[in-house]
Amino acid sequence: GAVVSQHPSWVICKSGTSVKIECRSLDFQATTMFWYRQFPKQSLMLMATSNEGSKATYEQGVEKDKFLINHASLTLSTLTVTSAHPEDSSFYICSARSTSGGALGETQYFGPGTRLLVL
Amino acid sequence: AQSVAQPEDQVNVAEGNPLTVKCTYSVSGNPYLFWYVQYPNRGLQFLLKYITGDNLVKGSYGFEAEFNKSQTSFHLKKPSALVSDSALYFCAVSHTGGFKTIFGAGTRLFVKA
Repeated sequence: GAVVSQHPSWVICKSGTSVKIECRSLDFQATTMFWYRQFPKQSLMLMATSNEGSKATYEQGVEKDKFLINHASLTLSTLTVTSAHPEDSSFYICSARSTSGGALGETQYFGPGTRLLVL
Repeated sequence: AQSVAQPEDQVNVAEGNPLTVKCTYSVSGNPYLFWYVQYPNRGLQFLLKYITGDNLVKGSYGFEAEFNKSQTSFHLKKPSALVSDSALYFCAVSHTGGFKTIFGAGTRLFVKA
């Protein structure tokens, strides 16, 4: 199956600093990557959809200036949490969708997640 | 608008017994239906999906799901549960054209030895 990696797996930072999270599709090309946030014992909340070479589409209520998304290539998307605050502490998960059609065409493959703790 | 419902927050089953995790959906047009599993502090792992064809879909780790169009359901099943199946299960739906995938709230499965 397709593999998606995330780095770092966990990060602790001070309030006011910025944190960058990388999401990579390792063995397939992904035109579309998604960034989710998950609170304890809750479902995934879609933050934004990232398309290679174009601006990300943010969901309602998600601040695009705070959560900067860059999808520079077909295998890499980054999420930067700018001026992080304790309320940004969460589990962030990315997923990627393959460009290929057929069986892979619509399946999202998820990264292992990044746990962010802002002190 | 598309939506997906997982009516049970938690399902408890004894090891060796069959398990069912329920999912119903609402979508215009033909649905793509997915099941994912999440272990603690991990991302989601793809289990299986229904796109078209046979209503009974077989996936990873012995799981299967049955697409029922009349009941708009896609329940996840396994004939014999294992303790290691204990995890959080998410049902998801999208439809053709690259629309975003909507996830259910999740159902926590506990399998007791």
